[in-house]
Amino acid sequence: DTAVSQTPKYLVTQMGNDKSIKCEQNLGHDTMYWYKQDSKKFLKIMFSYNNKELIINETVPNRFSPKSPDKAHLNLHINSLELGDSAVYFCASSFRTGGTEAFFGQGTRLTVV
Amino acid sequence: GESVGLHLPTLSVQEGDNSIINCAYSNSASDYFIWYKQESGKGPQFIIDIRSNMDKRQGQRVTVLLNKTVKHLSLQIAATQPGDSAVYFCAEKGGNFNKFYFGSGTKLNVKP
Repeated sequence: DTAVSQTPKYLVTQMGNDKSIKCEQNLGHDTMYWYKQDSKKFLKIMFSYNNKELIINETVPNRFSPKSPDKAHLNLHINSLELGDSAVYFCASSFRTGGTEAFFGQGTRLTVV
Repeated sequence: GESVGLHLPTLSVQEGDNSIINCAYSNSASDYFIWYKQESGKGPQFIIDIRSNMDKRQGQRVTVLLNKTVKHLSLQIAATQPGDSAVYFCAEKGGNFNKFYFGSGTKLNVKP
C-alpha cells in the first residue's frame, strides 16, 4: 500500500495552461505539505495544511493554489503555467505539525514547454 | 530565512567503508535537525533526527552528531552498502509553525 500517493507522476504542458496535481495519504496524518524540488535538488516548502487548514504559505506566486477537501487529501492547482514552474513537486504528510518524520510521495515531474 | 548548507556536493566511498556526510546550519533557534535520504526517482525518506539539546544519536548503522558550538551536523553511515547510494539532505526545524528548511544535498556514491 502506498502511504502518500501523487498523480500524475509526469506532467508535460504548455506555457499558460492550468494544471492540477493530486495527493492522498492513507496514514491518518493530520498535516500535509507541498514541496518544490528544482533542478539542483534543492527542496523548498510551499504550503502546509493541518486538518484542512492552511498553516504555512511560503512566498509562492498566487498562481499556485492548494486545496484540501479533507485531511487525507491535498491537491495543488497551478494557473497560467510558466517555464520556471518546471520542477519536481512532492507531497508529504506527517503525524502532526512540526513532526520531524515526514512521509513523501514519489513526486510529480512537471515540465512546462 | 534560515540557511542549511552542505560542505561537499558529492562523496564517493568504497563499499564497506564508513561514510561521513557533513552539514552546516545557521539558525541557533532550530529545535530539531533531521537527515533525509533520496534515492533516484523517489521522494525523500526520513533517516534519523536529533533534538537540539542532544549531541549524538544512534540508529541502525547511522549516527548523527550535532555540534552547536560551530553549528555543524554530520551523518555517519557504518559499513556503507550499495543501497546507501542516494542524495542525503540535512534539514532543520524551527521557528513559527515548525517549518522545515532543507539543505542542498550531498550525493553519496558507493563503489563496489
